[in-house]
Amino acid sequence: GENVEQHPSTLSVQEGDSAVIKCTYSDSASNYFPWYKQELGKGPQLIIDIRSNVGEKKDQRIAVTLNKTAKHFSLHITETQPEDSAVYFCAASSRTGFQKLVFGTGTRLLVSP
Amino acid sequence: AAGVIQSPRHLIKEKRETATLKCYPIPRHDTVYWYQQGPGQDPQFLISFYEKMQSDKGSIPDRFSAQQFSDYHSELNMSSLELGDSALYFCASSLYLRTSGVSYNEQFFGPGTRLTVL
Repeated sequence: GENVEQHPSTLSVQEGDSAVIKCTYSDSASNYFPWYKQELGKGPQLIIDIRSNVGEKKDQRIAVTLNKTAKHFSLHITETQPEDSAVYFCAASSRTGFQKLVFGTGTRLLVSP
Repeated sequence: AAGVIQSPRHLIKEKRETATLKCYPIPRHDTVYWYQQGPGQDPQFLISFYEKMQSDKGSIPDRFSAQQFSDYHSELNMSSLELGDSALYFCASSLYLRTSGVSYNEQFFGPGTRLTVL
């Protein structure tokens, strides 16, 4: 089955800096890669996703890149703000149809003012 | 915009008791997924339903069962509770769309039910 690895496990940055979180997946059949932000006591919030037919997607300060050959994808957050502090999860789905998500182990991002 | 609703938000049970968790998907969404998240861990897929039929099954114990009803809400039934069942249980919903033979389902998560087994 699919296995997703995520790095780093923790990331501390100063406000205004950029943050990059990286994930690798094992199943070459995976075709959908969402990113979730989870704040304490809340459910995961979908912040951006990418399909296997594109290499990059951007939404304001957030961007995701996908390298299918290397089987890795990354989340880039620019101009970080304290409210970006949360746990971020990458995920992959290897089935067409009803796509259960396999999550990475999470990255705790701390943005200091 | 309407979100996924889960009830109850918190539940405390004794060992060997039963629990029922409920999930109300976003209006018009026809697919429901259940995930379990232990402390400091990532969500683990349990089971999913599409149009009231089980669509996929993950690492769900035999003590657990689930179903989706005609109004698309879903219930997760947990029996013979064990200490290790203490976790956050999330429901996610999506709308099944198919484009060029491939479906892409954005999953939107609810706020979760925190189950504590004593």
